[in-house]
Amino acid sequence: NAGVTQTPKFQVLKTGQSMTLQCAQDMNHEYMSWYRQDPGMGLRLIHYSVGAGITDQGEVPNGYNVSRSTTEDFPLRLLSAAPSQTSVYFCASSRKVRGNTIYFGEGSWLTVV
Amino acid sequence: GENVEQHPSTLSVQEGDSAVIKCTYSDSASNYFPWYKQELGKRPQLIIDIRSNVGEKKDQRIAVTLNKTAKHFSLHITETQPEDSAVYFCAARAAGNKLTFGGGTRVLVKP
Repeated sequence: NAGVTQTPKFQVLKTGQSMTLQCAQDMNHEYMSWYRQDPGMGLRLIHYSVGAGITDQGEVPNGYNVSRSTTEDFPLRLLSAAPSQTSVYFCASSRKVRGNTIYFGEGSWLTVV
Repeated sequence: GENVEQHPSTLSVQEGDSAVIKCTYSDSASNYFPWYKQELGKRPQLIIDIRSNVGEKKDQRIAVTLNKTAKHFSLHITETQPEDSAVYFCAARAAGNKLTFGGGTRVLVKP
């Protein structure tokens, strides 16, 4: 049981490039989400999913796309990277039961130059 | 949407003293309030949580209180130790399992 696995852990992109951050969980969790954390700040919700085939926007969705074709995977796509997207990205998952514990991945450090 | 305010932003305490962090939330539908500890370069780690049908919860040196009427909740750490130094985040969860975080409190425990 690996929990929530994110790849890559570190990435440097040039402005305008696109890339995908991968997230996978092996706990059969219905809920998955992506957060970004800027230096010295809290986590902000980018996109979330309540199940396969269902996604919705969070607080800061612009510049990002997601899809949820399987229960296990929830990739985050940066369409055209900008320096403002330099951040640490955390994927999280939880059961659908209300009030259930949320598990975080180890994070992906992204720098856009 | 939900808005969570957290205070103070930094907290310096002497080893052995208590630390208190306070959060307020805006959405009365929020029903789950976790607290996370984050060390430098690491993921947030859940340290304690409380659900809206409970007023207080304690786990060894850590306790959380919830006042639903006033829409605020607090984290209490007693007998602080140097390893308690970290950034602490409160959060609130409302509809759709979306978690809204406070801005964080950097706690420094001085030996």
